[in-house]
Amino acid sequence: AQSVSQHNHHVILSEAASLELGCNYSYGGTVNLFWYVQYPGQHLQLLLKYFSGDPLVKGIKGFEAEFIKSKFSFNLRKPSVQWSDTAEYFCAVNAFDTDKLIFGTGTRLQVFP
Amino acid sequence: GAGVSQSPRYKVAKRGQDVALRCDPISGHVSLFWYQQALGQGPEFLTYFQNEAQLDKSGLPSDRFFAERPEGSVSTLKIQRTQQEDSAVYLCASSLANTGFGNTIYFGEGSWLTVV
Repeated sequence: AQSVSQHNHHVILSEAASLELGCNYSYGGTVNLFWYVQYPGQHLQLLLKYFSGDPLVKGIKGFEAEFIKSKFSFNLRKPSVQWSDTAEYFCAVNAFDTDKLIFGTGTRLQVFP
Repeated sequence: GAGVSQSPRYKVAKRGQDVALRCDPISGHVSLFWYQQALGQGPEFLTYFQNEAQLDKSGLPSDRFFAERPEGSVSTLKIQRTQQEDSAVYLCASSLANTGFGNTIYFGEGSWLTVV
């Protein structure tokens, strides 16, 4: 069965600090990978996704993620965070031939000015 | 519509009461999903429709949970004889077609259910 692990449950940063959130998945076949963000009081929004091609994926708001197949990882990065990045971040995976998204437990990011 | 719409946004139910949660997907979206998100957890898959066909209901936690999408558009998630452990946010999501091949899933704001 597929599973997703997010090792950082709560991350606190100052503005302009760099961010890296870890995501590892468990599945032996071809997968699609996603990062979703949930700002306070809002719905889940797609940050970026990987389906195929270049393993370095760029998303909205300056976020990027790198798919490393050998490590089963899809870590999210941002070189310089802003206060407005305060939110909950979820990594998700689905097998390429299914529609069921499996989510990690989420990482709560707090950015202080 | 512009996004996935869910109602009610907030529902307080007495234990044992039946509840019905409605989802209006993005117009033209074939696939519709229900997820359950408990406090401090990630969304957990409940069930999935492609048009009116329920293709996967493996995530429904018990036979008290039932979902339908009779005309391939609006969907209803029904929970019978609610229990306190049913308290969660119920998320509906939709996508244009098969997400396994490149389509994005769009989420609604959720229906917050509290069972007292």
